[in-house]
Amino acid sequence: AQSVTQPDIHITVSEGASLELRCNYSYGATPYLFWYVQSPGQGLQLLLKYFSGDTLVQGIKGFEAEFKRSQSSFNLRKPSVHWSDAAEYFCAVALTGGGNKLTFGTGTQLKVEL
Amino acid sequence: DADVTQTPRNRITKTGKRIMLECSQTKGHDRMYWYRQDPGLGLRLIYYSFDVKDINKGEISDGYSVSRQAQAKFSLSLESAIPNQTALYFCATSTAGRYEQYFGPGTRLTVT
Repeated sequence: AQSVTQPDIHITVSEGASLELRCNYSYGATPYLFWYVQSPGQGLQLLLKYFSGDTLVQGIKGFEAEFKRSQSSFNLRKPSVHWSDAAEYFCAVALTGGGNKLTFGTGTQLKVEL
Repeated sequence: DADVTQTPRNRITKTGKRIMLECSQTKGHDRMYWYRQDPGLGLRLIYYSFDVKDINKGEISDGYSVSRQAQAKFSLSLESAIPNQTALYFCATSTAGRYEQYFGPGTRLTVT
């Protein structure tokens, strides 16, 4: 079965600093990959997705992620963090032909220091 | 208006009570899902439905049941609530051929 690992439970960065959130997946073939953000008291919002093609994908709110097959990783990045980016971030994977089911990582809580 | 709505948004209930959580969507999607979120565990799939007549168990379906009343409505029931069902519950939708899911705002359920 596929699995998703987000090794960092909590990350704190200063406003204006760069950000990288790590995500590793375990699956034999190339899965579909997603990053979601959950702001306090809110549902999950899709930030970006990777299906195929260019391994660097752009998302909303200035986020990007890079798929690295050799490392089974799909790390999320942002060049300059804003205080409003404080939230919990989830990486998710879907199997091709798996009926649209997503497997989520355990999440990374981002704190932004002003 | 939100595309995926959930009612109630918050609920406190007692052990042994039956409770229903409701989800409605205006996205026109055929697939709907129920997840629960617990701190440190991420989201886990409870049930999913590909259409009104196709309902499937997820990884943690014990103690839960669902009903797909229409393409746009998917309800989750706890027949006899227990304290370890205290969690944040999310409904999500997707459409065949596309893997991204769209989430409702969640229902915070507390079982005392």
